[in-house]
Amino acid sequence: DVKVTQSSRYLVKRTGEKVFLECVQDMDHENMFWYRQDPGLGLRLIYFSYDVKMKEKGDIPEGYSVSREKKERFSLILESASTNQTSMYLCASSFRDVWNYNEQFFGPGTRLTVL
Amino acid sequence: DQQVKQNSPSLSVQEGRISILNCDYTNSMFDYFLWYKKYPAEGPTFLISISSIKDKNEDGRFTVFLNKSAKHLSLHIVPSQPGDSAVYFCATRSSNTGKLIFGQGTTLQVKP
Repeated sequence: DVKVTQSSRYLVKRTGEKVFLECVQDMDHENMFWYRQDPGLGLRLIYFSYDVKMKEKGDIPEGYSVSREKKERFSLILESASTNQTSMYLCASSFRDVWNYNEQFFGPGTRLTVL
Repeated sequence: DQQVKQNSPSLSVQEGRISILNCDYTNSMFDYFLWYKKYPAEGPTFLISISSIKDKNEDGRFTVFLNKSAKHLSLHIVPSQPGDSAVYFCATRSSNTGKLIFGQGTTLQVKP
């Protein structure tokens, strides 16, 4: 069974704080992704990674950075949290193949509130 | 600019009836489409997919239809069950990057 875990289910931070969201997958997937989910906007891709130490910007990377030092772990960093980063953050992973037809498996999400 | 649109934020149907969830997309180059289902407090889970070389794909109670000329896909659930109550996201995937592009989601409520 594929498992994607996220370090926290709920998180409350103050404006200006540095925030780390951690994601770990146990299926040796090459690809890992960070999304945020907001009402009326669906899921939007923040960053993704094809391999260790590799990262690519998604559709809304501003205000975020990522780190992938180990294959199983992908971290999302909010350098200076702002109230408009209050959201549900979802991590996902998948195998990489030539056609990228592999299903993405999602973690349970972290509900982040920035006060 | 929303490349994948689900224009109905919510849908309510009676148990046993058909649920039809709709999705429109803008780019005719999209060639693979997926539906994900999300329960509260859980991550989305893959439900069913369809390649652009097909116009229909069926899996049990779930069928996805693709109309390429209209750039429209739909998910049919027959018969609907209360356990199907969830948020449904349609998505398409960029074939060269593997990135998924999601719609806004439709909340389905199936009433007993």
